[in-house]
Amino acid sequence: NAGVTQTPKFQVLKTGQSMTLQCAQDMNHNSMYWYRQDPGMGLRLIYYSASEGTTDKGEVPNGYNVSRLNKREFSLRLESAAPSQTSVYFCASMGLPGVGSPLHFGNGTRLTVT
Amino acid sequence: GESVGLHLPTLSVQEGDNSIINCAYSNSASDYFIWYKQESGKGPQFIIDIRSNMDKRQGQRVTVLLNKTVKHLSLQIAATQPGDSAVYFCAENRGTGGFKTIFGAGTRLFVKA
Repeated sequence: NAGVTQTPKFQVLKTGQSMTLQCAQDMNHNSMYWYRQDPGMGLRLIYYSASEGTTDKGEVPNGYNVSRLNKREFSLRLESAAPSQTSVYFCASMGLPGVGSPLHFGNGTRLTVT
Repeated sequence: GESVGLHLPTLSVQEGDNSIINCAYSNSASDYFIWYKQESGKGPQFIIDIRSNMDKRQGQRVTVLLNKTVKHLSLQIAATQPGDSAVYFCAENRGTGGFKTIFGAGTRLFVKA
C-alpha cells in the first residue's frame, strides 16, 4: 500500500517549457488535490478534484491545468513554465471530504524553473 | 482577511521537555482543525485533528487544544524527542463539502539533545 505516489521527484525546466506532474493514490479516495509549497508561505491549493470527472480552482490556479484521469490519478500540467513556478508541489487525497477528514500527501516534486 | 497563522516561526526545546506550538485562525465558522508534521524532504503527515464541538483531544504524546472564544489552537507534545524535529502546520478545513484545507505558514521545531 504505497499511499500517494508522485513523479518525478525532481525536475529542472527552462522558462517556457512544459511538463506534467503525475500523481496516483491507491486508497480509493474520491477527492484529490494539488498544493504548492514556497518558503515561509505554507501550502497553497492550486486545484482540486472532488470526484472523478470534476475539477475546481483553488487559491493559485493561474498557469496550471489539471486532469483527473480516473479515480486513482490526478495530473498537474504547466503549459509554459515561469520562474515564479519554482516550488515544491504536493499531491494529496482525502477519504471523506465532508467536514472532518485529513489529507494524505505524497512526498512532493521539487521543480526549478530557470 | 481570513487566515490560519502561527505565532512563532521557530521553537527550540530541550529533549524531554514539553513543546507547545500555537496557531490562530480568523474564521469563526471553521469547524475542523488539523495538525500536520513535515520532515525534511517529505510531504506533510497527519498528527491529530479536532472538531469545533470539542476543546481538547489527546493522542499518543500529543494533545490539541481549541479555544473558540479567542480563535486559538495549540499542539502540545509531551517529552519531546529528537524525532519530533520537523515543521508543524496547523490547518483549517472549510468550504462547501470540506474540500478546501487552508494551511498556516508552519513552525519549525528544533529539539536539542
